[in-house]
Amino acid sequence: KAGVTQTPRYLIKTRGQQVTLSCSPISGHRSVSWYQQTPGQGLQFLFEYFSETQRNKGNFPGRFSGRQFSNSRSEMNVSTLELGDSALYLCASSLDRATNEKLFFGSGTQLSVL
Amino acid sequence: ILNVEQSPQSLHVQEGDSTNFTCSFPSSNFYALHWYRWETAKSPEALFVMTLNGDEKKKGRISATLNTKEGYSYLYIKGSQPEDSATYLCAFGNYGQNFVFGPGTRLSVLP
Repeated sequence: KAGVTQTPRYLIKTRGQQVTLSCSPISGHRSVSWYQQTPGQGLQFLFEYFSETQRNKGNFPGRFSGRQFSNSRSEMNVSTLELGDSALYLCASSLDRATNEKLFFGSGTQLSVL
Repeated sequence: ILNVEQSPQSLHVQEGDSTNFTCSFPSSNFYALHWYRWETAKSPEALFVMTLNGDEKKKGRISATLNTKEGYSYLYIKGSQPEDSATYLCAFGNYGQNFVFGPGTRLSVLP
């Protein structure tokens, strides 16, 4: 069974650009959540999608958005990139959206904003 | 804003030592507490999901306990091995909401 796949693995952008990250969950998983990891910080929750609907959103500006498709694949978009957006972005999938379901993480996308 | 704390931030132990670390979380609206192991250059991997007060879980040399009334969980590693070197994350889940992760405990096991 394939794991959670994130693409691209690495990305370099400049300030003001926008970026789209992709996440393919484990087959059969309907919940996809996104997290940001910066040095010295824990995983910060961005948003969660379940059955194509955004169920929860973290405390991030509106420049961060996402969506989920009917096959449960999810994309995350960041517009008007800032230097502080440089981070590792992880997505995680789970069978259901209940918080007693363990999360399966992808390898992440390392975004560098210059 | 929910706050999840972990201590210590980092520790170094010798191979064969046993060790433990703590995760503190809000005691209200508890739904689940997760532990993850995150090795360098890999993805975080689930160790335990605990939902009931008094839960004890074990996986090989690693075990965890849960106290939801006072809002803490302990992770124990018996006879640490170099391959146990990783960052250990706990995540607090309240009902119907997202997870809040702690900052992690970075463990280094010296051979």
